[in-house]
Amino acid sequence: LAKTTQPISMDSYEGQEVNITCSHNNIATNDYITWYQQFPSQGPRFIIQGYKTKVTNEVASLFIPADRKSSTLSLPRVSLSDTAVYYCLVGDAGSARQLTFGSGTQLTVLP
Amino acid sequence: ETGVTQSPTHLIKTRGQQVTLRCSSQSGHNTVSWYQQALGQGPQFIFQYYREEENGRGNFPPRFSGLQFPNYSSELNVNALELDDSALYLCASSGDRQGAMRDTEAFFGQGTRLTVV
Repeated sequence: LAKTTQPISMDSYEGQEVNITCSHNNIATNDYITWYQQFPSQGPRFIIQGYKTKVTNEVASLFIPADRKSSTLSLPRVSLSDTAVYYCLVGDAGSARQLTFGSGTQLTVLP
Repeated sequence: ETGVTQSPTHLIKTRGQQVTLRCSSQSGHNTVSWYQQALGQGPQFIFQYYREEENGRGNFPPRFSGLQFPNYSSELNVNALELDDSALYLCASSGDRQGAMRDTEAFFGQGTRLTVV
């Protein structure tokens, strides 16, 4: 499974757009990129998944450049409730249920 | 609300004891995975079950074992507890692969906080 690198922590203010970038230099052809969110003492929650270009859903956008060696999770207009740990995962869609989590990015949204 | 429930929510055990943690998956989800999450770290994959058979295992010793039942419930058993087993234990269920996207979404329960003293 491809290793991922993401910032340990980020701070933002309410109403701002937050971009969290994940590096995955050795991503394989079959690999998808998936982001999870985790609040304290809760299980991770799926946010978004993509393979290439741009994916958007009701909570976030995922930008993936052509070489797929990195990806950026974009959270529009964050609120205090978006304070959480965000994990970037890379893996074959078929095996992605055996998820490999890194240390994640602690996002703190300030008032 | 993910539809995945775990019990108990908190548990305190003594070193050397055995513990059983339980998980109820979403109806129709044939895959259940268990993860261990130590404080300040990401979840670590323990093992996965598919249709009641172990279908993958992470770097955990044999004293970590599991069972999956036909009624979408499952168990994680840990024997000979050690202090380092103190962690949040998470189960996640997912459906069978049907397409390329989103089918691999794993739905996590809220976890069981195990403390070994």
